[in-house]
Amino acid sequence: GAGVSQSPSNKVTEKGKDVELRCDPISGHTALYWYRQSLGQGLEFLIYFQGNSAPDKSGLPSDRFSAERTGGSVSTLTIQRTQQEDSAVYLCASSLAFGNNQPQHFGDGTRLSIL
Amino acid sequence: KQEVTQIPAALSVPEGENLVLNCSFTDSAIYNLQWFRQDPGKGLTSLLLIQSSQREQTSGRLNASLDKSSGRSTLYIAASQPGDSATYLCAVVSSNTGKLIFGQGTTLQVKP
Repeated sequence: GAGVSQSPSNKVTEKGKDVELRCDPISGHTALYWYRQSLGQGLEFLIYFQGNSAPDKSGLPSDRFSAERTGGSVSTLTIQRTQQEDSAVYLCASSLAFGNNQPQHFGDGTRLSIL
Repeated sequence: KQEVTQIPAALSVPEGENLVLNCSFTDSAIYNLQWFRQDPGKGLTSLLLIQSSQREQTSGRLNASLDKSSGRSTLYIAASQPGDSATYLCAVVSSNTGKLIFGQGTTLQVKP
């Protein structure tokens, strides 16, 4: 597609449930990034992928969070046993390459609400 | 640890005014600095990217400067329009980690 696509755009779920967020990057972009945007916290880096590999997972808030990328394209961010503090907008971005002077292109995000 | 600060947090100006948004960062070891725009309920749109070796970048009515040694960047918006109303975010890519570190943003309102 023309831009980064994220789904669903909105997700409301009960505390304790698992959720899966999807990101479809711009075709040909090898680097993919996940961020979390919450009130009072600003934009927080979670994890990035170079191809299918995630060299640095230290930004993930807890072991309930995991992410994978297959085929160098689509990525999923999974949150297990969701908590109310997980409520936020989860943004995905992609760029031609990591660590290069290429701008990151963002999707519109998934707004996650935990009841 | 890299920290990015944006001042002011909010700004309201009448249409037609020129304005400056400020961004500062604590660690000068950066790959580049980017300015983004975010409209309510939307993702981020990249406005300008300044590489660490550059001093400024221009796009239309926007001009961004970078002073790496002092850890500062400014975004200048000329002849502001109501359509410029949005939140503007500054972010740096750290040379050490390659991660994009964001400021809290400046919310701009341009009144007709």
